[in-house]
Amino acid sequence: EPEVTQTPSHQVTQMGQEVILRCVPISNHLYFYWYRQILGQKVEFLVSFYNNEISEKSEIFDDQFSVERPDGSNFTLKIRSTKLEDSAMYFCASIPGTSASNEQFFGPGTRLTVL
Amino acid sequence: AQSVSQHNHHVILSEAASLELGCNYSYGGTVNLFWYVQYPGQHLQLLLKYFSGDPLVKGIKGFEAEFIKSKFSFNLRKPSVQWSDTAEYFCAVLTDSWGKLQFGAGTQVVVTP
Repeated sequence: EPEVTQTPSHQVTQMGQEVILRCVPISNHLYFYWYRQILGQKVEFLVSFYNNEISEKSEIFDDQFSVERPDGSNFTLKIRSTKLEDSAMYFCASIPGTSASNEQFFGPGTRLTVL
Repeated sequence: AQSVSQHNHHVILSEAASLELGCNYSYGGTVNLFWYVQYPGQHLQLLLKYFSGDPLVKGIKGFEAEFIKSKFSFNLRKPSVQWSDTAEYFCAVLTDSWGKLQFGAGTQVVVTP
């Protein structure tokens, strides 16, 4: 069964450094999402992406964040200058976008630790 | 603002006990409703979903949920839990077909042998 994959599973970085989190959505899916979950808190929406552009973003998704689909398979989240409060689990999700089912399929997540 | 509320943050129960987790949302329009489960160290997995039709939906692993539109609720139930049901459970609401999921805070369920 196809699944969403994410790399790395765990990323440790120093405050102020740039990080890129990578996701490979399911191959025929058209809509892509990033969510994050700070330890002990709920899953929060960051951004959605369709047709090579951002379709919606939350107030969390400020100028430090960017997303890109550099090729036909990867979907990346870049944090330009990480802060301590960016430490969280980051989940990528995708949906086909072409059927009545809009179930979002989630990847296993990347745990980002900012020191 | 739209919100999703889960009534319990932590639930501890014994094997074979019945489980019911509450979820309420605030949105007046058409919604799609989901319950996701996150087992320790694993990613979010869909337990069940409601789009339309029969308000009682059955999911995987013996879970079911009932959508009560008048109460803006979508409670999750399982008649008899197992130790392997220890996990965190998230209710989520979709108000726009291709839009963002809004999650509740989650309920940590611990099932003791």
